[in-house]
Amino acid sequence: GEDVEQSLFLSVREGDSSVINCTYTDSSSTYLYWYKQEPGAGLQLLTYIFSNMDMKQDQRLTVLLNKKDKHLSLRIADTQTGDSAIYFCAEKGGATNKLIFGTGTLLAVQP
Amino acid sequence: GAGVSQSPSNKVTEKGKDVELRCDPISGHTALYWYRQRLGQGLEFLIYFQGNSAPDKSGLPSDRFSAERTGESVSTLTIQRTQQEDSAVYLCASSAGYTFGSGTRLTVV
Repeated sequence: GEDVEQSLFLSVREGDSSVINCTYTDSSSTYLYWYKQEPGAGLQLLTYIFSNMDMKQDQRLTVLLNKKDKHLSLRIADTQTGDSAIYFCAEKGGATNKLIFGTGTLLAVQP
Repeated sequence: GAGVSQSPSNKVTEKGKDVELRCDPISGHTALYWYRQRLGQGLEFLIYFQGNSAPDKSGLPSDRFSAERTGESVSTLTIQRTQQEDSAVYLCASSAGYTFGSGTRLTVV
């Protein structure tokens, strides 16, 4: 079945780059998404990438997709304390319209 | 409306009672999704509505859970005979771009 995995925790210093990784199993995924969830808040869609792309850049965010290895990453340049949150990756399967989420990566930014 | 609206934002209920959660999607969005997020965990898919098509109910955990949506309007998620394991944040998302509401935090005591 479909499965999405992420590492649980990442700690970086303010100003450094953060790289959050995600692997998935569904080779027919059409879109892959990154969401941010701050404490006590809802999910905020950060960015998404279509499966026929290998990179997408949006200001401080860079998404890299290795479709062969089913590996997705989110790079945050010049990480700020306001970036501290849980980051979820999600994939939309080719056979269905539902999103399958990873368990989330807690990003802690140290001042 | 401008965003996905969910109500109530918080609900505390006694074990065994029924609860009804409401989602107002973004106007014009044909698809609507319900997810559940247990404390410290990722999101579990519950149900998906697309226009007037039959909903995808494959994620509903038991027959105590049901959801309705008329056309492209409001959806309600009903949990009957609530159990403590139903305690979670219930999130609704509206297409396109999967814009999420801020959720209903359900606590069953």
